[in-house]
Amino acid sequence: DSGVTQTPKHLITATGQRVTLRCSPRSGDLSVYWYQQSLDQGLQFLIQYYNGEERAKGNILERFSAQQFPDLHSELNLSSLELGDSALYFCASSSEGRRTDTQYFGPGTRLTVL
Amino acid sequence: KNEVEQSPQNLTAQEGEFITINCSYSVGISALHWLQQHPGGGIVSLFMLSSGKKKHGRLIATINIQEKHSSLHITASHPRDSAVYICAVGSNTGNQFYFGTGTSLTVIP
Repeated sequence: DSGVTQTPKHLITATGQRVTLRCSPRSGDLSVYWYQQSLDQGLQFLIQYYNGEERAKGNILERFSAQQFPDLHSELNLSSLELGDSALYFCASSSEGRRTDTQYFGPGTRLTVL
Repeated sequence: KNEVEQSPQNLTAQEGEFITINCSYSVGISALHWLQQHPGGGIVSLFMLSSGKKKHGRLIATINIQEKHSSLHITASHPRDSAVYICAVGSNTGNQFYFGTGTSLTVIP
């Protein structure tokens, strides 16, 4: 158990809908990362937050947004969903948000868009 | 273009064999990470390397910064090592992470 929790575990929804994925980091970790893993593109970095502020942005679509709250949990919002958004979404956390930090991954949320 | 390339894509080994997985990258990096993804989907960080070599149990990871290459070695492989191994780099510009496509390892008893 990494200490990172993600909810929900599974999500099935329809095209055009909006969903929110939630992540709670390990106790004491200030940085949260979001990743998307699809069958055709592998793991992709979406976005990173550190202590409530956006630190880095990767291949995140404009339809997607995220935030980190004062209690350090984070939410990833996906809107106007398309079939191609079906994927595993992982959250990870680390202590200082540096590229040299070890990251601890949550169990993932499997999103299916029908 | 792929910033991180891994080889081989798939690997089958007999229990006890010595295994090597390779990773090459094309960007400047702050660190290179080796990750293990189990069949159930969970991801575990195995190593973070910025130089040299690290060892943890039967796993050894090395990095050559000049050649932009890293290797993950598994000595005395065991069926429980069966997983996908993913190389990831944290770039030193733009704060990006790039991932290899993974090496699927199956160790047969």
